Amino acid sequence: KAGVTQTPRYLIKTRGQQVTLSCSPISGHRSVSWYQQTPGQGLQFLFEYFSETQRNKGNFPGRFSGRQFSNSRSEMNVSTLELGDSALYLCASKEGGSSGSNEQYFGPGTRLTVT
Amino acid sequence: AQSVTQLGSHVSVSEGALVLLRCNYSSSVPPYLFWYVQYPNQGLQLLLKYTSAATLVKGINGFEAEFKKSETSFHLTKPSAHMSDAAEYFCAVTRSGNTGKLIFGQGTTLQVKP
Repeated sequence: KAGVTQTPRYLIKTRGQQVTLSCSPISGHRSVSWYQQTPGQGLQFLFEYFSETQRNKGNFPGRFSGRQFSNSRSEMNVSTLELGDSALYLCASKEGGSSGSNEQYFGPGTRLTVT
Repeated sequence: AQSVTQLGSHVSVSEGALVLLRCNYSSSVPPYLFWYVQYPNQGLQLLLKYTSAATLVKGINGFEAEFKKSETSFHLTKPSAHMSDAAEYFCAVTRSGNTGKLIFGQGTTLQVKP
């Protein structure tokens, strides 16, 4: 099976702009989670989508949003970008159901730089 | 609330020496515990997981970890370090198998000296 893919891999944006990141999970996985990784804060959970519904949410402002499509692919959007949003954004997928495996598999990440 | 503490942000060992990376967790319910490894400019790779089936868990690349409830620990070990083990290692906890919310430790960078 192909792994988790994320596009684009690198992105440079200007303060105030918005950005959309994309994640394609492993085939058959219905849960997609997003994480932000920065040197100062480490790995922080943003949100999880399962069957097109947000199932969990971390402590991030409303500028961070996401969605999931019927094919389980997910997008994450950040509006009104701030310098502090510069980070590696990681997507992870898992089977998601109550009887499914609980381990998450991560994509290579999207490196976002805000100038 | 759940939390994870990794003792030591940097660990340095000689090639062939024992690797020991420490992880302590705080959880009000039986936890699911994971170790991930991250190589430069890459995502996270799952090394191993604990889900209550066995306290000693064997993972990939010769790593293993032992769950000790009395010490709330899940330390990662490898008998003999290789140069290729140099990377950043993360311990993570989640409350149940149904949630995708992982709580990560701050990470430990492993340096392997020749």
